[in-house]
Amino acid sequence: EAGVTQFPSHSVIEKGQTVTLRCDPISGHDNLYWYRRVMGKEIKFLLHFVKESKQDESGMPNNRFLAERTGGTYSTLKVQPAELEDSGVYFCASSQGRLGTRHFFGQGTRLTVV
Amino acid sequence: DQQVKQNSPSLSVQEGRISILNCDYTNSMFDYFLWYKKYPAEGPTFLISISSIKDKNEDGRFTVFLNKSAKHLSLHIVPSQPGDSAVYFCAASVAGGGADGLTFGKGTHLIIQP
Repeated sequence: EAGVTQFPSHSVIEKGQTVTLRCDPISGHDNLYWYRRVMGKEIKFLLHFVKESKQDESGMPNNRFLAERTGGTYSTLKVQPAELEDSGVYFCASSQGRLGTRHFFGQGTRLTVV
Repeated sequence: DQQVKQNSPSLSVQEGRISILNCDYTNSMFDYFLWYKKYPAEGPTFLISISSIKDKNEDGRFTVFLNKSAKHLSLHIVPSQPGDSAVYFCAASVAGGGADGLTFGKGTHLIIQP
């Protein structure tokens, strides 16, 4: 069974540019999450999809961030325009079910805004 | 305002001895707790979890203890092995059994010395 995959693994962009991160969850997993870890800090929740619907987007920093999950399969997270403080590692995770649910994480995308 | 706190940024333990990683939380609504292990350049991988209705869960060398009155949980690894060297994250979920977004601590870097 393929795990959660994220693309790209690294991205270096200039301030003001746009970047789109992609996540392919484990097949059949309805729940898809985005998290971010800024260096030295905790992994912070950004948002949660159930299939194609946004269940909870309370962690999204601001309206420069846009997440989509068309068709309930893969998801994209777009940052436009990128700022220096957006640098960090963006993790995607997926899970299935409700109780006793564990997240399966991808390897992360390291975003550096210069 | 951190709701999940791991106050030890790092911990060094001799191979074969017991490793004890601690985690405190402030939100009494948390009802499901998980431990994740993370190697460099990889995503977090699930280790063990515990529901708030239990005070102990064991899986092989790993045991998690939950003290609800103290809002404290700990992860015991015994015996510690070199491959256990990694960053360990404590995470918690509110009333979702783990299917909702997780709140993470900052992590503890465990170093197993030969």
